[in-house]
Amino acid sequence: GAVVSQHPSRVICKSGTSVKIECRSLDFQATTMFWYRQFPKQSLMLMATSNEGSKATYEQGVEKDKFLINHASLTLSTLTVTSAHPEDSSFYICSASGQATTYEQYFGPGTRLTVT
Amino acid sequence: GNSVTQMEGPVTLSEEAFLTINCTYTATGYPSLFWYVQYPGEGLQLLLKATKADDKGSNKGFEATYRKETTSFHLEKGSVQVSDSAVYFCALSDGSSNTGKLIFGQGTTLQVKP
Repeated sequence: GAVVSQHPSRVICKSGTSVKIECRSLDFQATTMFWYRQFPKQSLMLMATSNEGSKATYEQGVEKDKFLINHASLTLSTLTVTSAHPEDSSFYICSASGQATTYEQYFGPGTRLTVT
Repeated sequence: GNSVTQMEGPVTLSEEAFLTINCTYTATGYPSLFWYVQYPGEGLQLLLKATKADDKGSNKGFEATYRKETTSFHLEKGSVQVSDSAVYFCALSDGSSNTGKLIFGQGTTLQVKP
């Protein structure tokens, strides 16, 4: 149990376009979802925390107008990278937690974004 | 602020060798400590955790002890297998043990050769 999926697994987009990444909890209700960014050979950096039905809480230095997060249901959160630039290229990972997981975070497999 | 430091990798071992991956942390209060593992092409999985000083977390032959006096949570395994090859992340939770944010170390790649 406690499976989290992400879609797409890889995406390539052109500079200036927007791209949406989905994070789904497949077999539990996720009251909280987290979005992380991972640079090559570096740690996971928390970008934002989203609670279902509420606005996301962004970490310091993360542009909320650039990284739009929506958590409209208990099984789905989306991250939209708006007006993407090459420096946004990275590995984006989500995690989800809820009562069914005793609030332990379960991680998705990640999405590799490349902006050309 | 809170932070986690791991030994740099990659760590390359022969099968059945003893493994230690060092992890030290800086935190205010009493964080919970975690080890996550990321196998190739997969998401992070919780390997073990400890919620208070002197607790020992263990799973799949791995273990780590929460040492408050040395602010450490080193990961050990007595005999590694090829299937243990993965990236290992040490992390702490700076809120409640389960709902708080996780702060990760940079990850240590383990390569086990037959």
